[in-house]
Amino acid sequence: AQSVAQPEDQVNVAEGNPLTVKCTYSVSGNPYLFWYVQYPNRGLQFLLKYITGDNLVKGSYGFEAEFNKSQTSFHLKKPSALVSDSALYFCAVRASGGSSNTGKLIFGQGTTLQVKP
Amino acid sequence: NAGVMQNPRHLVRRRGQEARLRCSPMKGHSHVYWYRQLPEEGLKFMVYLQKENIIDESGMPKERFSAEFPKEGPSILRIQQVVRGDSAAYFCASSSGTHYGYTFGSGTRLTVV
Repeated sequence: AQSVAQPEDQVNVAEGNPLTVKCTYSVSGNPYLFWYVQYPNRGLQFLLKYITGDNLVKGSYGFEAEFNKSQTSFHLKKPSALVSDSALYFCAVRASGGSSNTGKLIFGQGTTLQVKP
Repeated sequence: NAGVMQNPRHLVRRRGQEARLRCSPMKGHSHVYWYRQLPEEGLKFMVYLQKENIIDESGMPKERFSAEFPKEGPSILRIQQVVRGDSAAYFCASSSGTHYGYTFGSGTRLTVV
């Protein structure tokens, strides 16, 4: 079964410190991986995606993510956190190829990032 | 170029009433996805539609829920005889193809009282 796990419900960091939000996945075939951010009472905003190529993907607002095939992980990172980064972050996966190629995403349960001044 | 437009933003229905949620995809996008976000949970896929066709409805509850994407007009997610457990945020996303990323709308927050 395909799944995405975000093992931390909440991550707390101080402003200016590096942050990591963890994500692991289980999917058949080559994964397409995504990170989205959701601010209160808003829709999801796309941050970045991994399809193929370099394992380190750079995205919006200074975020990046590292694809690790052997560990089936796609952790979100940022070198220096801002208070305005505080939000709910979702990791998602889409399997490529075969009957699963409808484009639907499987989301993790979300991680709340709290950046304190 | 307007993004994905969902309306209404908030919808309150009494138990037993019908709820209709509308989604207008981005211009040029012919693929529409509906997701549901229950309180304290992630998004769950419900249905994937192209114009006039339901492609994948594997996430739709078997009863009371239906979706359409007509040749003209927005996509509609319809919930008949709503119950309190239907209270959730419903998000629509559109894409120009299955190999491309999504753009999400701001969602419709349904409250059943």
